[in-house]
Amino acid sequence: GQQLNQSPQSMFIQEGEDVSMNCTSSSIFNTWLWYKQDPGEGPVLLIALYKAGELTSNGRLTAQFGITRKDSFLNISASIPSDVGIYFCAGSQTGANNLFFGTGTRLTVIP
Amino acid sequence: GAVVSQHPSWVICKSGTSVKIECRSLDFQATTMFWYRQFPKQSLMLMATSNEGSKATYEQGVEKDKFLINHASLTLSTLTVTSAHPEDSSFYICSATRAPDTQYFGPGTRLTVL
Repeated sequence: GQQLNQSPQSMFIQEGEDVSMNCTSSSIFNTWLWYKQDPGEGPVLLIALYKAGELTSNGRLTAQFGITRKDSFLNISASIPSDVGIYFCAGSQTGANNLFFGTGTRLTVIP
Repeated sequence: GAVVSQHPSWVICKSGTSVKIECRSLDFQATTMFWYRQFPKQSLMLMATSNEGSKATYEQGVEKDKFLINHASLTLSTLTVTSAHPEDSSFYICSATRAPDTQYFGPGTRLTVL
C-alpha cells in the first residue's frame, strides 16, 4: 500500500508551546484527514481537507492540504496537557473508502 | 457529529474459542465499514472492507476464514475471530464512512487471548 511518512515520530513540548507536524507521500492524494488517538481509544477525526491548498482550522488546530497534494501539515497552538496523544494523518486517493495512514506522531505535553 | 460504537470494549478469551465484535453507526447509515487492527505503538492496519449486503474484501495476508465479517445492515457490521490464538491478541478498531468523504472510528475493542 501507499506509504505516508509522518514527522516527527515523537515530540516533547512545554505547555503553551506551539506544535507542528507533517505528513508526506510519494503519491498524490485527493483527501487528507488528521486524527488523534488517546490510549485505548479509537482515532477521533480532527480536521478533514478536500482541496489542494485548503487551510482549515478547528479551535487551536490548523491543518493545510499541500498544493502538491503530496503533503499535509497540522499545527496546534498554545498546547495544553489534554493535547497529549498520537496524531495520525490519513490520505485518500479515491474517496474515504481507501484510506492510507501515516506512522503517527506521539505528542507529550509537559505541564 | 458521527458516532460509531463498538461492543465489547474489551474481551478476554481462551485459546480456541471464537469472539464476535460488533460495530454500529449510531446516527448515520454506512454502506461501507472497515476493520482495522492495531499493535502497540503502531499505526492502524486495514484488515478488510465490509459492504452492506455483500462479501467483505480482505487485504492481502488477512485470512478470511479466520476473520469472518458480516455486514447485515446499514448500521451494523460484525467481526468474528474464529479459533482465536494468543497471536490474535490486539486492538481491533472499526470505522464507517459518512458522506462526503470521511471515516469515523469506533472506540476499539481490546482482545486478549489466553
